[in-house]
Amino acid sequence: GENVEQHPSTLSVQEGDSAVIKCTYSDSASNYFPWYKQELGKRPQLIIDIRSNVGEKKDQRIAVTLNKTAKHFSLHITETQPEDSAVYFCAASSPPHTGNQFYFGTGTSLTVIP
Amino acid sequence: NAGVTQTPKFQVLKTGQSMTLQCAQDMNHEYMSWYRQDPGMGLRLIHYSVGAGITDQGEVPNGYNVSRSTTEDFPLRLLSAAPSQTSVYFCASTGAAYEQYFGPGTRLTVT
Repeated sequence: GENVEQHPSTLSVQEGDSAVIKCTYSDSASNYFPWYKQELGKRPQLIIDIRSNVGEKKDQRIAVTLNKTAKHFSLHITETQPEDSAVYFCAASSPPHTGNQFYFGTGTSLTVIP
Repeated sequence: NAGVTQTPKFQVLKTGQSMTLQCAQDMNHEYMSWYRQDPGMGLRLIHYSVGAGITDQGEVPNGYNVSRSTTEDFPLRLLSAAPSQTSVYFCASTGAAYEQYFGPGTRLTVT
């Protein structure tokens, strides 16, 4: 099955700096790569995703890049703010309606220092 | 439109007891799944369903059963609770574009 590795496990940045979280995956059939933000005691929430036919996607201060050849994808947060502090999870999936599953990384705890 | 709902929010069980965690969605999604979340281990898939009447095992299915009699509901049953099942449980519903929505979670403690 798929194996998703995520680094780093913890990350501290000064407010206004950028944060980068990296994930690698093993299954070349994976074609959907979402990122989730989970605040303490809350549910994971989808913040951005990318599909295998796209190399980069941006949404305001958040961007995700995908390198299918190297099987890695990254989350970039620019101009970080204290409210960006949370745990971030990456995931990889083949089409779920074919019976395939979502595989998650182990999470990155991001702290933005005011 | 409530999205994904789960009950209960908190539960304490004694070893050997059984219980059912409820999950419902009102988005008419075919694909639903159950995860457990433990510190430092991310989200691990327990069971999933690609539609009513169809279920399959995920990464950590032992000790859990599921059924899917309707599109809306996907309950998770703990057959005989063990301390190793102390965790936070999330139900999720996935749309046709693969976007996944999580319920608010159930925090389960087994003593």
